[in-house]
Amino acid sequence: QKEVEQDPGPLSVPEGAIVSLNCTYSNSAFQYFMWYRQYSRKGPELLMYTYSSGNKEDGRFTAQVDKSSKYISLFIRDSQPSDSATYLCALTKTSYDKVIFGPGTSLSVIP
Amino acid sequence: GAGVSQSPRYKVTKRGQDVALRCDPISGHVSLYWYRQALGQGPEFLTYFNYEAQQDKSGLPNDRFSAERPEGSISTLTIQRTEQRDSAMYRCASSLLRSSGTSTDTQYFGPGTRLTVL
Repeated sequence: QKEVEQDPGPLSVPEGAIVSLNCTYSNSAFQYFMWYRQYSRKGPELLMYTYSSGNKEDGRFTAQVDKSSKYISLFIRDSQPSDSATYLCALTKTSYDKVIFGPGTSLSVIP
Repeated sequence: GAGVSQSPRYKVTKRGQDVALRCDPISGHVSLYWYRQALGQGPEFLTYFNYEAQQDKSGLPNDRFSAERPEGSISTLTIQRTEQRDSAMYRCASSLLRSSGTSTDTQYFGPGTRLTVL
């Protein structure tokens, strides 16, 4: 079993839709949870991070962590064509440990 | 200000040759990371440094791979006796410093070096 799994997509939604992106992981030692966005031919950029369980909101983006289920989610409200990218979840056990990335979900928002 | 830069952006080499990939982090960033990213996959951790000290090299695939950061700034990832399976995008990232507690530093990624081994 891989440490971190994501549905690779591609996921295609109409502009304005609510998007739900998810990751599951196998190791309960992970405590820091991040979402990165990667545009085509670019490096990943950090969108949000969450420590332990709970929700975090930043504008149109909401990150949720459910450690009991080993499940993390990123919700995008009022999706825009500029949100079209690959979304990578990333996890680490401590702030000094290596970061483990998921394989990414490709999202296309159609105008 | 300038972001993370990597050179060369593209490298084509023949099997068996050695290659050196360079990373120039954001000025003042203490932590530097190397990743390998296959097409359609997330970055795979290789190694990271705080200042000039290599903190974790557990992700280096084998002893043909090595990295250094002698003065705590620019880093070089070296692959000796390259093989076709080494072909990938190699990405570097830097952050201010891996912190403690409940916060974690933002890693800023460079544009990557696309390595092709023929």
